[in-house]
Amino acid sequence: QSALTQPPSASGSPGQSVTISCTGTSSDVGGYNYVSWYQQHPGKAPKLMIYEVNKRPSGVPDRFSGSKSGNTASLTVSGLQAEDEADYYCNSYAGRDTWVFGGGTKLTVL
Amino acid sequence: QVQVVESGGGVVQPGGSLRVSCAASGFTFSRYHIHWVRQAPGKGLEWLTFILKDGNEKYYADSVKGRFTIFRDNSKNMLSLQMNSLRDEDTAVYYCAKDMGSGSYAFDVWGQGTMVIVSS
Repeated sequence: QSALTQPPSASGSPGQSVTISCTGTSSDVGGYNYVSWYQQHPGKAPKLMIYEVNKRPSGVPDRFSGSKSGNTASLTVSGLQAEDEADYYCNSYAGRDTWVFGGGTKLTVL
Repeated sequence: QVQVVESGGGVVQPGGSLRVSCAASGFTFSRYHIHWVRQAPGKGLEWLTFILKDGNEKYYADSVKGRFTIFRDNSKNMLSLQMNSLRDEDTAVYYCAKDMGSGSYAFDVWGQGTMVIVSS
């Protein structure tokens, strides 16, 4: 149950696109199409942004998109806006009814 | 309004016990699996445990297996986490999170969390 690997930080200017990676193993990210992404603003609860690799819950802007290749999943935020500045966490089902999170990425909008 | 609200956090000495709870409303509680996730101060999220909607099966992360127990009361729309043999590293905000269901393996409703501090 080792944490998934995310870059500690990412940044972009308003209007630009930024991609955050999430690397696991064939036992989690690579083994299942059950990767989800969460946005967390300081002092707030996490919010589901993407599930099942690339699906958006109702109400999440289509500027947020997800993908996966092999053992690495990615979250892309297009048309960056100031309110997108937050911490982002990936999560994957890891088999045997367990889940694992990534270490988190702090997204800064310059 | 679909929501979950945690309670019961506080300060406990190392080796002690504490029970935190989660009250659900706005959805049919008995139809959904529920998880606990924690976040140590300044750190990332850590998945801890999961209970099936009928309460018959429970699963745990290695970090809490044998020390923490999850249980639910569907008649009261309540979820609890009994934490024993607490350690300094268990200090965290504890979140209750509703499973999205339909085999999505994601957490779509989160509470505001309850803070647990393990300190002498």
